Amino acid sequence: NAGVTQTPKFQVLKTGQSMTLQCAQDMNHEYMSWYRQDPGMGLRLIHYSVGAGITDQGEVPNGYNVSRSTTEDFPLRLLSAAPSQTSVYFCASSPTRATQYFGPGTRLLVL
Amino acid sequence: QQQVKQSPQSLIVQKGGISIINCAYENTAFDYFPWYQQFPGKGPALLIAIRPDVSEKKEGRFTISFNKSAKQFSLHIMDSQPGDSATYFCAAIDSGYSTLTFGKGTMLLVSP
Repeated sequence: NAGVTQTPKFQVLKTGQSMTLQCAQDMNHEYMSWYRQDPGMGLRLIHYSVGAGITDQGEVPNGYNVSRSTTEDFPLRLLSAAPSQTSVYFCASSPTRATQYFGPGTRLLVL
Repeated sequence: QQQVKQSPQSLIVQKGGISIINCAYENTAFDYFPWYQQFPGKGPALLIAIRPDVSEKKEGRFTISFNKSAKQFSLHIMDSQPGDSATYFCAAIDSGYSTLTFGKGTMLLVSP
């Protein structure tokens, strides 16, 4: 099993550009989440999903969209990137609501 | 509103010493308390977890102590090693929700 995979590993965007951060898991987990990690702020939940077709907002959802058309994939979309979205993004999946398996992260720099 | 408060922000311990990281919470609906370990450039990984009906859980050199009445829990790393140098996050989950709430993290450095 590959576990949780994220692409790209690193991305540079200009303000106003859009992009999609990809996340995939091969463990057949129902729960998937997106977090951002900023220095001194810990991990903050952006959006999460409890199954295909079901998504909900987390603590910091503004500026981000998600969809969950399959169990395996949970992409995160930035429609119009802003410098405040410069961060490290982690995707996680879990078989239960508690134990989460994190991907390796995507480092995003918005200029 | 920060629901899980973690301290200290950073910690330096000599090799062989005990590392202690503390967390406190307010939400009495939290019913599961995991700790995650993160090495630089990697995603967090589950280290150890506890439920509130248990006061202590030990796995190797790592121990969680839980004080339900004080709404506090802590991670103890015995015989700390340089390889333990990482960022540690406490977290909590509400029985009615599907998401974890994380503390802000503690950067641990174990000096050789």
